[in-house]
Amino acid sequence: AQTVTQSQPEMSVQEAETVTLSCTYDTSESDYYLFWYKQPPSRQMILVIRQEAYKQQNATENRFSVNFQKAAKSFSLKISDSQLGDAAMYFCASPSSNTGKLIFGQGTTLQVKP
Amino acid sequence: DAGVIQSPRHEVTEMGQEVTLRCKPISGHNSLFWYRQTMMRGLELLIYFNNNVPIDDSGMPEDRFSAKMPNASFSTLKIQPSEPRDSAVYFCASSLRSLRGQVEAFFGQGTRLTVV
Repeated sequence: AQTVTQSQPEMSVQEAETVTLSCTYDTSESDYYLFWYKQPPSRQMILVIRQEAYKQQNATENRFSVNFQKAAKSFSLKISDSQLGDAAMYFCASPSSNTGKLIFGQGTTLQVKP
Repeated sequence: DAGVIQSPRHEVTEMGQEVTLRCKPISGHNSLFWYRQTMMRGLELLIYFNNNVPIDDSGMPEDRFSAKMPNASFSTLKIQPSEPRDSAVYFCASSLRSLRGQVEAFFGQGTRLTVV
């Protein structure tokens, strides 16, 4: 079965430091988008960043950036200058097949220490 | 646009009762997803519609679950009869699927279902 794997169930980072969350995926699509979502305790799913697979350049959104390795099917999220408000569960998402089905990893809970 | 709207936000029901969850996707989106989130199983895709047609329902747990999308602006997820193990948060998400795939999935606030 095609899957999305987040190998780190929990991570912690000191405030103002940098942390990287890892994600690997498996898709048969040739052109696609990859996503990182944040879920705070309010349970709302919030899009953090999106990567277009046909673009070589890694996406960046303020303090959030990705390291996208298409051949390795790896898509990690780097959070710089971590803030207390970054504490949440983070999910990566990938299309699973050429039908457009979107599936999510198991999530990584990020703790930010003051 | 008000975003993806789900109702109800919370539902408490007795085992054996029918439960219907509702979703209004974002206007103009052509894809709709129903997900279930639990501590044990994470965020599972239950069913995926494209242009109101069910494309993949392989995640639907069993025959007690059914989903419909009668038009582009409304979808339901029904559980009949409900069981305590169905207790979870159910999310609806909508997206625009382009030639390059799903552009972005917008989520509703979710429905927290408790079956007692």
